[in-house]
Amino acid sequence: NAGVTQTPKFQVLKTGQSMTLQCAQDMNHEYMSWYRQDPGMGLRLIHYSVGAGITDQGEVPNGYNVSRSTTEDFPLRLLSAAPSQTSVYFCASTLEQYGNTEAFFGQGTRLTVV
Amino acid sequence: DAKTTQPNSMESNEEEPVHLPCNHSTISGTDYIHWYRQLPSQGPEYVIHGLTSNVNNRMASLAIAEDRKSSTLILHRATLRDAAVYYCILRDVNYGQNFVFGPGTRLSVLP
Repeated sequence: NAGVTQTPKFQVLKTGQSMTLQCAQDMNHEYMSWYRQDPGMGLRLIHYSVGAGITDQGEVPNGYNVSRSTTEDFPLRLLSAAPSQTSVYFCASTLEQYGNTEAFFGQGTRLTVV
Repeated sequence: DAKTTQPNSMESNEEEPVHLPCNHSTISGTDYIHWYRQLPSQGPEYVIHGLTSNVNNRMASLAIAEDRKSSTLILHRATLRDAAVYYCILRDVNYGQNFVFGPGTRLSVLP
């Protein structure tokens, strides 16, 4: 089983460039989320989606856009990259059942903005 | 903000039990307590979760206080592979019941 697949694994951007981080899951989960993790810190929620066509902002949404046109895919777009967005980005897909909730995380995308 | 409090770091010797504490004094009656861990250079992975009763699985045990304001993750015999950051999490209704992570506890396992 593929689970949650993130691409690319590594990326270097110049300040002002835009790019899309891809996230795909094959578990038919409705809930998907994007997090960023700065060195030595916990994960911070950027955006999330509770189903196709529905997205909402997390703790740190500024500078990022998301869309959810299918259940499987949840891309994260950086509109104009800034050095402060240098981080490791994790996508998660959540099995949502009362009493049996489990989040599955991708391996991460390590982004450097120079 | 995370609704749980954990020690920043803990140390254990290999093959000894480890008790990782977590305080969640503002927990509501329907909140499950979730534990995840993050191995170096990997995404977080599920460890265990529970509501009221103590829970056991192949990875760990979860002991929940009677008033539910604290819990303890128990690794029965720590191995070097258990060195990771352990997160105790309550889901956040402000963010669609998503997992909101705090800094967690960094567990070091000494050979």
